[in-house]
Amino acid sequence: LAKTTQPISMDSYEGQEVNITCSHNNIATNDYITWYQQFPSQGPRFIIQGYKTKVTNEVASLFIPADRKSSTLSLPRVSLSDTAVYYCLALMDTGRRALTFGSGTRLQVQP
Amino acid sequence: NAGVTQTPKFQVLKTGQSMTLQCAQDMNHNSMYWYRQDPGMGLRLIYYSASEGTTDKGEVPNGYNVSRLNKREFSLRLESAAPSQTSVYFCASSESRPNQPQHFGDGTRLSIL
Repeated sequence: LAKTTQPISMDSYEGQEVNITCSHNNIATNDYITWYQQFPSQGPRFIIQGYKTKVTNEVASLFIPADRKSSTLSLPRVSLSDTAVYYCLALMDTGRRALTFGSGTRLQVQP
Repeated sequence: NAGVTQTPKFQVLKTGQSMTLQCAQDMNHNSMYWYRQDPGMGLRLIYYSASEGTTDKGEVPNGYNVSRLNKREFSLRLESAAPSQTSVYFCASSESRPNQPQHFGDGTRLSIL
């Protein structure tokens, strides 16, 4: 399993860009890095996934350096509704998928 | 689209009672999963099913059984509930192609007294 490490919590203000870094030193060749968002009383929701370099969608950007030992989720111009827990995972590319969610990063956005 | 539907949303049990949590998905996914989430912690995988007719243990399978009834449904059973099983239970599904993201239900909040 590719263990991931990310900060326990972060604070930000509305309109700022937030960058959450995740380390995954023992990531396997076929692993993808995937980020989920979880609001209170809801299940996690897929945000973005990437293998290397940069991926961008309507919600976020994901930056992955060449060595793939870390990744950074970037949320542009956060709002109060971005307050949530963010999980970083390295997905195993096997038919028997054993997934590990860490404790995540609790992002608090203030006015 | 309903996505992943879990029932019930809330349940209170007494120690020793049995209970089956239901999960159904309408996305034609092959793979389905059961997780538990304890307060302030991340999700831990209990069991998963890579395809209809197969199930495998995850990180914390003790005290649970699962049934992949058909492609749509994946149930989780507690035969003799214990207070340590008080948690929020999430079901998820995904396509079986490599590295596909999982789609989660909104959870079942289970309290065992």
